[in-house]
Amino acid sequence: DAKTTQPNSMESNEEEPVHLPCNHSTISGTDYIHWYRQLPSQGPEYVIHGLTSNVNNRMASLAIAEDRKSSTLILHRATLRDAAVYYCIPRLSGSARQLTFGSGTQLTVLP
Amino acid sequence: EAQVTQNPRYLITVTGKKLTVTCSQNMNHEYMSWYRQDPGLGLRQIYYSMNVEVTDKGDVPEGYKVSRKEKRNFPLILESPSPNQTSLYFCASSLSAGNWETQYFGPGTRLLVL
Repeated sequence: DAKTTQPNSMESNEEEPVHLPCNHSTISGTDYIHWYRQLPSQGPEYVIHGLTSNVNNRMASLAIAEDRKSSTLILHRATLRDAAVYYCIPRLSGSARQLTFGSGTQLTVLP
Repeated sequence: EAQVTQNPRYLITVTGKKLTVTCSQNMNHEYMSWYRQDPGLGLRQIYYSMNVEVTDKGDVPEGYKVSRKEKRNFPLILESPSPNQTSLYFCASSLSAGNWETQYFGPGTRLLVL
């Protein structure tokens, strides 16, 4: 399994951009990089995923390093509702085991 | 509305009393799975199913059973619950088992075994 390293916690001010880093140096070429988040008292929620190119959706952007050993989730304007634990998850190709959650990054958004 | 539903949301039971937690999805997804979440241990997969009548063990299957008789339903069965199965349980589904697929999670079932 590809191992990930994320900061335990980060803080951001409301309405400012947030960059959440993830190292996944053992990822293989066909492993997608997924990001999920879990708001307090809720189930995990999909945020974004990508393989090689940077990706954008209505929630966030995902910047993937050229060597794919790291990625960064970008929240363009953090809101209080974005306070959550963010998980970076390499999804292994050929494995039916699906998501392997690490400890994630606890994001605190300050008003 | 596309969703994964779980019932019950909260359950208190006693050791040894069989229980079933239901999970249903309305998205015609092939893949379904169960996770448990414990403080300090994170989310761990219990069982998964790639399609009807196809199930397999995840990382922590001991003490649990599952069945997949219909595509939309994937119940989690605890035949003889023990206190170490006190946890927060999540059901999830995706269109297929492909590693590009998005997982959709249910709201969770909080179980306390006395």
